[in-house]
Amino acid sequence: DAGVIQSPRHEVTEMGQEVTLRCKPISGHNSLFWYRQTMMRGLELLIYFNNNVPIDDSGMPEDRFSAKMPNASFSTLKIQPSEPRDSAVYFCASSRDTGVGNTIYFGEGSWLTVV
Amino acid sequence: LAKTTQPISMDSYEGQEVNITCSHNNIATNDYITWYQQFPSQGPRFIIQGYKTKVTNEVASLFIPADRKSSTLSLPRVSLSDTAVYYCLVGGGMNRDDKIIFGKGTRLHILP
Repeated sequence: DAGVIQSPRHEVTEMGQEVTLRCKPISGHNSLFWYRQTMMRGLELLIYFNNNVPIDDSGMPEDRFSAKMPNASFSTLKIQPSEPRDSAVYFCASSRDTGVGNTIYFGEGSWLTVV
Repeated sequence: LAKTTQPISMDSYEGQEVNITCSHNNIATNDYITWYQQFPSQGPRFIIQGYKTKVTNEVASLFIPADRKSSTLSLPRVSLSDTAVYYCLVGGGMNRDDKIIFGKGTRLHILP
C-alpha cells in the first residue's frame, strides 16, 4: 500500500517567493495533519483536518501560512511570502481518525530552505 | 491531553536492553499510551500502543503499571540502527478533539 506522499521532497527558494507543499494521504484515512520540524522547536502541529474540514489551525504561525484540503486525497500547505525562518522540514501525516488512539502515518517530509 | 515527561537523551551500547520511561501523572481513564520512533531525516513512525499491563510486538514491549501514571518502552538487544528519537504520547483514545502533539522526545544514542 502507498503511504503518505509528499512533494516536493526538497525545495530551495528565495525569500519572498511563494511555496506550495503538497500531500496525498493514505486512502481511507479521514484525518490529515501538517507538522513542521526544526532543531530548535521540535515537531510542531500546524493544522489538522478531519473529513476535509480544518479542525484546529492554532498552530499555524501567522497569516503567511495557509492550508487547504479540497478533497479526501489531496492537501496543500502554502507559505506566501516565504522567509528564511520558515526553513524546516514539513511533514504531512494521516490517520483513520483524530485522537491519539489512532496510529498516525507520516510522509517522508518536504525539506524547505528559504535563502 | 495528558502532559508527558521523558528523559531528553539516553546512551546505551549494542546488545543491551534499553528502557525509556515516560511519566504521565494526569492520564485520564480513556487515554491510550502510544510510542513513536523517529530516525534522522524521516518522519516519526508508530512503534507500540497500550492501555494497561504489558504489550509486546516484534519491535518493543510496553510496560504499564496498575496506576498508569507512567509507562516504560523496552527495546531488547539494541543495535546501532535503533539510534533515534522516541516520543511518548498520551491521549483520549479516539477523541477527535485531542490534538496529536509530540513533545521533545528522548534522543537515544546507541554506541558500538
